[in-house]
Amino acid sequence: EAGVVQSPRYKIIEKKQPVAFWCNPISGHNTLYWYLQNLGQGPELLIRYENEEAVDDSQLPKDRFSAERLKGVDSTLKIQPAELGDSAVYLCASSPGLAGFGEQFFGPGTRLTVL
Amino acid sequence: GQQVMQIPQYQHVQEGEDFTTYCNSSTTLSNIQWYKQRPGGHPVFLIQLVKSGEVKKQKRLTFQFGEAKKNSSLHITATQTTDVGTYFCAGRNAGNNRKLIWGLGTSLAVNP
Repeated sequence: EAGVVQSPRYKIIEKKQPVAFWCNPISGHNTLYWYLQNLGQGPELLIRYENEEAVDDSQLPKDRFSAERLKGVDSTLKIQPAELGDSAVYLCASSPGLAGFGEQFFGPGTRLTVL
Repeated sequence: GQQVMQIPQYQHVQEGEDFTTYCNSSTTLSNIQWYKQRPGGHPVFLIQLVKSGEVKKQKRLTFQFGEAKKNSSLHITATQTTDVGTYFCAGRNAGNNRKLIWGLGTSLAVNP
């Protein structure tokens, strides 16, 4: 079974530029998460989708971050414009159930460096 | 707001020694999950505890959920170099929002 796929794996951009990350969850997984992880820290939830609905986006900085999950499968996370403080690893995870109850399967992450 | 504290932040052991990390929540949890993240890797699910006082074992790993469902521990017996990594607990709020709150993790280093 294929795991969670994320691309790109690495991205280096200059501040004020836009950037987008893509995630393909495990087939059949209804719930999809986007996390931000800084070095030496735990994952911080940005947004959680149940199917195509964003059920928890309270931690998403909506002035510059946006996300979508078309047709309840793949998802994209966008930052526009990027700031220096956005440098981090962006993790996508999926889980089979709803209400986020079960284990989460993580992708390899996208390491973003903003110069 | 709800917080999940994890201690210690770092632990350095000799191979063969035991290791324990503790997780404490400021609020009652509906369940708690444990994940392991190897250096340069992504979090990998280890276990989920749901019942008050629950104890689960996976080979050399023992997981406990407190009676009040506000704390948990992970104990590794006779550590091996393959145990190196950061261990995270993630507690789910027992309230309506059911948020999963992650601890900051305990980084384990094992000297061969």
